[in-house]
Amino acid sequence: SQQGEEDPQALSIQEGENATMNCSYKTSINNLQWYRQNSGRGLVHLILIRSNEREKHSGRLRVTLDTSKKSSSLLITASRAADTASYFCATVLGGKLIFGQGTELSVKP
Amino acid sequence: DVKVTQSSRYLVKRTGEKVFLECVQDMDHENMFWYRQDPGLGLRLIYFSYDVKMKEKGDIPEGYSVSREKKERFSLILESASTNQTSMYLCASSPTSATQPQHFGDGTRLSIL
Repeated sequence: SQQGEEDPQALSIQEGENATMNCSYKTSINNLQWYRQNSGRGLVHLILIRSNEREKHSGRLRVTLDTSKKSSSLLITASRAADTASYFCATVLGGKLIFGQGTELSVKP
Repeated sequence: DVKVTQSSRYLVKRTGEKVFLECVQDMDHENMFWYRQDPGLGLRLIYFSYDVKMKEKGDIPEGYSVSREKKERFSLILESASTNQTSMYLCASSPTSATQPQHFGDGTRLSIL
């Protein structure tokens, strides 16, 4: 079952630039979560946004949620080489978290 | 900080072997999960458990079983390993609801020869 889909699949930027990743989903949600995965490691939870929230910040991360369009975006400002990773959105379907395929972000020094 | 520890980072086994993957969490979480991650297929849920001795099938349980005898430990068992089970296996835990943020281990990269 494919609940969340990220776009683009891959993104390459220079250090200092902003990176924007998008997630679209199909059914109503209670919350939407973003995770990061460094190469060869497990996923790390970044931020959770509830269905009644429109925007949330955490450090250099900004997440927006548009429930009318069933979409969310993750913005990383002033990116660093250490931000190079895959980023996943996750939504709830059937009482379980379903992860999208992810966006591979490469930040070049 | 929650720590989820998987027993092996890399594992090589032979076809037909019975394989055990172990996962331990140190934060008294109710829920534990096993996923496999494959290129182009993303993360797929194999099994999860919401309490000791309880288990629920995920999306791809065939060829796997699980055991949760203690709250902190969740084991994934490949009954008779096959080459199509070569994958990255990720264990995760969450406090009281399966939809809360999950904490992941670093994964076990399993190769079946």
